[in-house]
Amino acid sequence: AQSVTQPDIHITVSEGASLELRCNYSYGATPYLFWYVQSPGQGLQLLLKYFSGDTLVQGIKGFEAEFKRSQSSFNLRKPSVHWSDAAEYFCAVGVSNTGNQFYFGTGTSLTVIP
Amino acid sequence: DTAVSQTPKYLVTQMGNDKSIKCEQNLGHDTMYWYKQDSKKFLKIMFSYNNKELIINETVPNRFSPKSPDKAHLNLHINSLELGDSAVYFCASSFSTDTQYFGPGTRLTVL
Repeated sequence: AQSVTQPDIHITVSEGASLELRCNYSYGATPYLFWYVQSPGQGLQLLLKYFSGDTLVQGIKGFEAEFKRSQSSFNLRKPSVHWSDAAEYFCAVGVSNTGNQFYFGTGTSLTVIP
Repeated sequence: DTAVSQTPKYLVTQMGNDKSIKCEQNLGHDTMYWYKQDSKKFLKIMFSYNNKELIINETVPNRFSPKSPDKAHLNLHINSLELGDSAVYFCASSFSTDTQYFGPGTRLTVL
């Protein structure tokens, strides 16, 4: 069965520090991969996505993610975190073998300290 | 011109009542979804629906039923509400397995 794992439930970083959020997936083929961000009281907003091609993808707000097939991973990174990045981050995979299905990880809550 | 809209934003009701949440997308997408987000922020897909098929998460009680009057709408009807149904419900839409666009959410509180 398909699954998405975000091993870090909560991460705290200092403003200006670098950030990496981990995501691993389980799927027989290469799925479509996404990172979403959810600010408090808001819906989910797409940060970036990977379908094919260059394994390093750039997103909004200075985020990037790298797809590593050998590790079944799609980790999210940002070189310098801003206080406004504090939010919940979700990794997701999309598959279309039996209808259109999305699987979300359990989320990583990011706290940014001054 | 909101892409995916949901109404109401907040819904407070008594146990045992029947309620509906409406969702509309103006993106021309072929697939719509309903998610439940619990207090721990865990997102659980409830339904995936396009004009060909409805895919139901088998863990969803049959008190929950999606109703789609047309391709732009997917409403969520809930019968006999229970305390455990309290959560934030998100509607989303997409072209196949491309990017999902989410609505702002409906916070349901069952008393």
